[in-house]
Amino acid sequence: EIVLTQSPTTMAASPGEKVTITCRASSSVSYMHWFQQKSGTSPKPWIYDTSKLASGVPDRFSGSGSGTSYSLTISSMEAEDAATYYCLQRSSYPLTFGSGTKLEIK
Amino acid sequence: QVQLKETGPGLVQPTQTLSITCTVSGFSLTSYYMQWVRQTPGKGLEWMGFIRSGGSTEYNSEFKSRLSISRDTSKNQVFLKMNSLKTEDTGVYYCARDWDHFDYWGQGVMVTVSS
Repeated sequence: EIVLTQSPTTMAASPGEKVTITCRASSSVSYMHWFQQKSGTSPKPWIYDTSKLASGVPDRFSGSGSGTSYSLTISSMEAEDAATYYCLQRSSYPLTFGSGTKLEIK
Repeated sequence: QVQLKETGPGLVQPTQTLSITCTVSGFSLTSYYMQWVRQTPGKGLEWMGFIRSGGSTEYNSEFKSRLSISRDTSKNQVFLKMNSLKTEDTGVYYCARDWDHFDYWGQGVMVTVSS
């Protein structure tokens, strides 16, 4: 099973600040997928195939990476970006999620 | 428009069987994979399994032989059944449509396993 380790676990950013969340895989994966979840709601697709933005995702978000290291970046933090972000690998079974990064606004 | 909605029992006793239905609209089950994901306090988001557009299935071995996923395309429904429930199975269960990514999710159904 591929274990995904996200860092940081929690963080707070000021409006306008650049934010980077990392997801490291225990073995190489082909792509990484990201979801955003706000309290009491379902996860939303956010970034797929490492760098493709899901429908409706603002272009201040971007994704990058390869092999065992992937990241989600927000170029300029906004209040609405406060949420928990999860990574997902589907390169091998079982599909596995990271444990999440809780992002708060300062 | 695409919609998914999970319905289930809410409360299930330990050792009993959980049955959840995912009713979809706006697309055909014969064109998409359907995924099941749960979110528990102990393990966070967990992939459970999926049913392919052609009807074959794939399961997370974590659930061993407890889990079964099936569908009724005429009713636009996908079913999850899991037996031998434990208190650790308490959580929110989601179905999600899958093309090249999990693009639509249901609202989830909360399941509590307790006597």
